[in-house]
Amino acid sequence: ETGVTQSPTHLIKTRGQQVTLRCSSQSGHNTVSWYQQALGQGPQFIFQYYREEENGRGNFPPRFSGLQFPNYSSELNVNALELDDSALYLCASRPGLATGDYTGELFFGEGSRLTVL
Amino acid sequence: AQSVTQLGSHVSVSEGALVLLRCNYSSSVPPYLFWYVQYPNQGLQLLLKYTSAATLVKGINGFEAEFKKSETSFHLTKPSAHMSDAAEYFCAVSVGTGRRALTFGSGTRLQVQP
Repeated sequence: ETGVTQSPTHLIKTRGQQVTLRCSSQSGHNTVSWYQQALGQGPQFIFQYYREEENGRGNFPPRFSGLQFPNYSSELNVNALELDDSALYLCASRPGLATGDYTGELFFGEGSRLTVL
Repeated sequence: AQSVTQLGSHVSVSEGALVLLRCNYSSSVPPYLFWYVQYPNQGLQLLLKYTSAATLVKGINGFEAEFKKSETSFHLTKPSAHMSDAAEYFCAVSVGTGRRALTFGSGTRLQVQP
């Protein structure tokens, strides 16, 4: 069983640029969510995708956007990067509620560390 | 809205000593509760979870936690610390229909002294 994989693992951008982070969900999981973990803090929920649509969003501005593809993989896009966007971005997947396989937890990838200069 | 408070951003114990990491939650509806561990430069790994079944939950690596509704707590314990337990530990809660998101605490860094 393949776990959640994310790419790239590290990247450096400058303020004002745009970035795209990618995530492949764990086999059999159709729901993907993204979290931002700033240094020394707990992860914060950005948004969740199910059936290629956003179905939950945290307190993040619209310049944070995402996509989910038919194979359940996902992208996180951040426009107009700010210094405070520097963080570890974590992707997590889980089975959908309707599958009957949902047991509560999320399965996380190892993250993409973004540095904004 | 739900929230999680982890008391103590840093906890240091000696190898072989009891580990106690504290977590209190706030939720107006029955919660699901989780403990995750994060090793340096890695993602989050589930240690254990409470999803309204038994209140004493056993997880991996000898950790366990007890859900106490009256105290709104879900403290993590391990009878005997090992050097390999040194990591960051996060308590998290999910509530509501669909349980779309986890709300995490700010984390507790566990140091294990030889």
